[in-house]
Amino acid sequence: RKEVEQDPGPFNVPEGATVAFNCTYSNSASQSFFWYRQDCRKEPKLLMSVYSSGNEDGRFTAQLNRASQYISLLIRDSKLSDSATYLCVVPPGAGSYQLTFGKGTKLSVIP
Amino acid sequence: ETGVTQTPRHLVMGMTNKKSLKCEQHLGHNAMYWYKQSAKKPLELMFVYNFKEQTENNSVPSRFSPECPNSSHLFLHLHTLQPEDSALYLCASSQERAEATGELFFGEGSRLTVL
Repeated sequence: RKEVEQDPGPFNVPEGATVAFNCTYSNSASQSFFWYRQDCRKEPKLLMSVYSSGNEDGRFTAQLNRASQYISLLIRDSKLSDSATYLCVVPPGAGSYQLTFGKGTKLSVIP
Repeated sequence: ETGVTQTPRHLVMGMTNKKSLKCEQHLGHNAMYWYKQSAKKPLELMFVYNFKEQTENNSVPSRFSPECPNSSHLFLHLHTLQPEDSALYLCASSQERAEATGELFFGEGSRLTVL
């Protein structure tokens, strides 16, 4: 299994739809996980952290399944402004600064 | 507005040129990073500095040479690059070790084209 693998995308969804992305990881020792958002021609920015079973922030819900080693990001009531690339990020464990980024999943919310 | 500023934003250079990318963070962070982002590839960590000391060098070719004179400034010196080095180079900073908080603050990047 690759270190971090994401849904290939792109996801094209209408406004108001619910969309979910999955991300699988290989390092079973990882304790915390992160979703970053990268707008077109912009820098990545931290969207959400997932430390235990899950995290919810408004329309965004991130969930962790340790047994199956995947995390998911659910976006409800999609807005045009949600259009971006969503990057799954996994730390390798203690002793390194190397956060491992997935390739990203591109989301386009269409009117 | 970003607390991490990178210059230049765009750079075109020939394979024999020498140029430098500059990064400055205004966040009071202790760690700074260089990442490379190529099309259809995940972000690749190149170098990490913590309190001005290089802590990781991710098997980066010697044609890339980092310099960190203080905790607020980071440079990437470029010489005799190859066309495949064309990419977006992102600088980032973090307060603590990034794997703990996962929070990196990125600059807007320097888009490099090597002819």
